[in-house]
Amino acid sequence: AQRVTQPEKLLSVFKGAPVELKCNYSYSGSPELFWYVQYSRQRLQLLLRHISRESIKGFTADLNKGETSFHLKKPFAQEEDSAMYYCALSLVQGAQKLVFGQGTRLTINP
Amino acid sequence: DGGITQSPKYLFRKEGQNVTLSCEQNLNHDAMYWYRQDPGQGLRLIYYSQIVNDFQKGDIAEGYSVSREKKESFPLTVTSAQKNPTAFYLCASSFGTGVGQPQHFGDGTRLSIL
Repeated sequence: AQRVTQPEKLLSVFKGAPVELKCNYSYSGSPELFWYVQYSRQRLQLLLRHISRESIKGFTADLNKGETSFHLKKPFAQEEDSAMYYCALSLVQGAQKLVFGQGTRLTINP
Repeated sequence: DGGITQSPKYLFRKEGQNVTLSCEQNLNHDAMYWYRQDPGQGLRLIYYSQIVNDFQKGDIAEGYSVSREKKESFPLTVTSAQKNPTAFYLCASSFGTGVGQPQHFGDGTRLSIL
């Protein structure tokens, strides 16, 4: 069965420190992965997607098929990065279904 | 602020009552989705629709029903058969159904039982 696991419910780092939010997936097909973010009092929104190979707000994520991981990284955390982060796996089965992880709440301490 | 509008923001249901959550989008998106979010859990798919007059069950469709009579609208009814309806409900839409199409989310509706 398809599954996305985010092992850390809470993650706290100091401003300026590197941050890594872990995401592991289970899927027999070719995965398409996303990171979604929800800032305080804002709606859930797309942060970045694996196929774009982009860097958004200093965040990057590399798909590692050998380790079935899609960890989100940023070299220097900023206070405005505090938010809830969800990793999601796309299943194209007639429609683009997303399987979400449980989410990680990231807190950046000043 | 356009995009996806969910209403109401808060909803209370009595035992044995059906309630309907509204979701409207002005993004001209073909696909629409309903998710349920419980504390400490990720989002779980309830129903989705690729086009008007067509919809499919997601992973947790029991106790819910939907309709898609207009492209812009995808209301979700929580029926009395749903024994644990207290949750946060999110509606989303996407331009197409191809891989890599991002989903756009509404602000959500929080449903509670009286």
